[in-house]
Amino acid sequence: DSGVTQTPKHLITATGQRVTLRCSPRSGDLSVYWYQQSLDQGLQFLIQYYNGEERAKGNILERFSAQQFPDLHSELNLSSLELGDSALYFCASSVGDRGHADTQYFGPGTRLTVL
Amino acid sequence: DQQVKQNSPSLSVQEGRISILNCDYTNSMFDYFLWYKKYPAEGPTFLISISSIKDKNEDGRFTVFLNKSAKHLSLHIVPSQPGDSAVYFCAASAGGSEKLVFGKGTKLTVNP
Repeated sequence: DSGVTQTPKHLITATGQRVTLRCSPRSGDLSVYWYQQSLDQGLQFLIQYYNGEERAKGNILERFSAQQFPDLHSELNLSSLELGDSALYFCASSVGDRGHADTQYFGPGTRLTVL
Repeated sequence: DQQVKQNSPSLSVQEGRISILNCDYTNSMFDYFLWYKKYPAEGPTFLISISSIKDKNEDGRFTVFLNKSAKHLSLHIVPSQPGDSAVYFCAASAGGSEKLVFGKGTKLTVNP
């Protein structure tokens, strides 16, 4: 158990809909990261927050947005869903102050299926 | 454009033998490399890392080798155990960034 929790575990929805994925980081971690893993693909970095502020952005679509709340939990909002958005979405957390040496701890993921 | 490539989707080895997982990268700005292990229905777990100022890092049964001139790194597991069966992801970052670029993974199967 990494200490990172993600809800829900599974989500099935229809095209055009909007969903929210939730992540609670490990106790004490200030950074939260979101990754997308599509079929047969590596993990693609989407976005990072540090203590409530956006720190780094990857190939995140405009239909996707995220935020980190004062209690440090984070939400990833996916809207106008398309079939190609079906994927595993992972959240990771880290202390956030050690640069690349900052170990990222991953949650179990949310599997999103868009029908 | 795949900046981190793991060209072998799968690898099968016998228990007790050496497992060698390979990873190539194209971005010369990468200066920190990591290996993660992933079991089914779980998130990836950090295994070992190496900075570009080193060419080898060892942690128990796991050793990572870095060949900067070839833009190649490898993970050696000796001896391999059935519990090592998992998907192994190579990842890299540049300039001290926490942003990781992952390969597609190699599924390792260790047969008893």
